[in-house]
Amino acid sequence: DVKVTQSSRYLVKRTGEKVFLECVQDMDHENMFWYRQDPGLGLRLIYFSYDVKMKEKGDIPEGYSVSREKKERFSLILESASTNQTSMYLCASSPIRRASGNTIYFGEGSWLTVV
Amino acid sequence: GENVEQHPSTLSVQEGDSAVIKCTYSDSASNYFPWYKQELGKRPQLIIDIRSNVGEKKDQRIAVTLNKTAKHFSLHITETQPEDSAVYFCAASEGPNFGNEKLTFGTGTRLTIIP
Repeated sequence: DVKVTQSSRYLVKRTGEKVFLECVQDMDHENMFWYRQDPGLGLRLIYFSYDVKMKEKGDIPEGYSVSREKKERFSLILESASTNQTSMYLCASSPIRRASGNTIYFGEGSWLTVV
Repeated sequence: GENVEQHPSTLSVQEGDSAVIKCTYSDSASNYFPWYKQELGKRPQLIIDIRSNVGEKKDQRIAVTLNKTAKHFSLHITETQPEDSAVYFCAASEGPNFGNEKLTFGTGTRLTIIP
């Protein structure tokens, strides 16, 4: 069974703090993703990575950066947290697609509140 | 990039009746269309998907239809049960790129089954 683990379920941070959200997957998946979930806006892609040390911007990368030093780990970094980054953050992973479409697997999510 | 619109945003259905959720997409190159179910406080999980070479797919009480010409796809749930209450997300992929799977999600539909 695929396991995507996000290290923190609930965090409260102050405006201006640097925040790290960690994600680990145990299925040797090449692709990893960070999404943000907000009511009425669905899931929006922040960044994704299809290989170690590779990263691609998603739809809303502003204010975020990522790091992928090892295949199993993908970190989301908020350089200077702001209140509009209060949200639920979902990490996901998937294998390289060999046909048309592959399932992506989500972590449990990290609820971040910036005060 | 891809844009996915999902309707309705909320849907209430009497137990035993059918529910239909509709999505449209903008990129004619998209060829993979999964549906995810997210129960309260849990991670999104894949419930069914369809690929562009198929017009319909069914799995017990759940079915998905795809109209590539019109660029829309729909989720159909028959004989609804209380455990079907959740938020449902449709998604579309932008096609293969170095073996990646990048999904664009709709904004979600909150389905409530009324006993």
